[in-house]
Amino acid sequence: AQKVTQAQTEISVVEKEDVTLDCVYETRDTTYYLFWYKQPPSGELVFLIRRNSFDEQNEISGRYSWNFQKSTSSFNFTITASQVVDSAVYFCALSEDYKLSFGAGTTVTVRA
Amino acid sequence: DAGITQSPRYKITETGRQVTLMCHQTWSHSYMFWYRQDLGHGLRLIYYSAAADITDKGEVPDGYVVSRSKTENFPLTLESATRSQTSVYFCASTEQKIGTQYFGPGTRLLVL
Repeated sequence: AQKVTQAQTEISVVEKEDVTLDCVYETRDTTYYLFWYKQPPSGELVFLIRRNSFDEQNEISGRYSWNFQKSTSSFNFTITASQVVDSAVYFCALSEDYKLSFGAGTTVTVRA
Repeated sequence: DAGITQSPRYKITETGRQVTLMCHQTWSHSYMFWYRQDLGHGLRLIYYSAAADITDKGEVPDGYVVSRSKTENFPLTLESATRSQTSVYFCASTEQKIGTQYFGPGTRLLVL
């Protein structure tokens, strides 16, 4: 069963537009962690954020912000004022134990 | 440099050959992981290790063998490579059982 769903396969925006990536997860555990990773065209996987299940505070880091809502099992990611360098595949992931379950990823293309 | 490294970065081999992909981390993380990334399947866990000499199967272990004689190294061996094992392989490590996994740069493997 799919544990992490990223319904958006591809998103294309023009530079300076905001873009929101959706992530819906499924778990029966009360303790879990959620992650976002970025995979730029160069191929490496870059850790962006970790959030535990007891911390529903939204977080902002520069142009990046995350909205965690347990009530809807969602952990959405927004890039404000997107830049060409934001073009990448973004993965949402769920960790219930040592295992990390990844969503299929959303490809973001930012056009100049 | 400190971090997690993989070698080789690119490998072309033929069906039936044995191939070993190396992973080395300098953080002394207890947990290490091998994933493969394929279009349409995202990242899937092959094997993981909780400590030296402790390994266990992940989601797609068939055709792969791992060992972990030293904490810092976690080699992945394809005993008899098949075309279906053409993929990008990522190694990851974390210090805690449920912690942020940091990924190596990946190895692109082509099996002809």
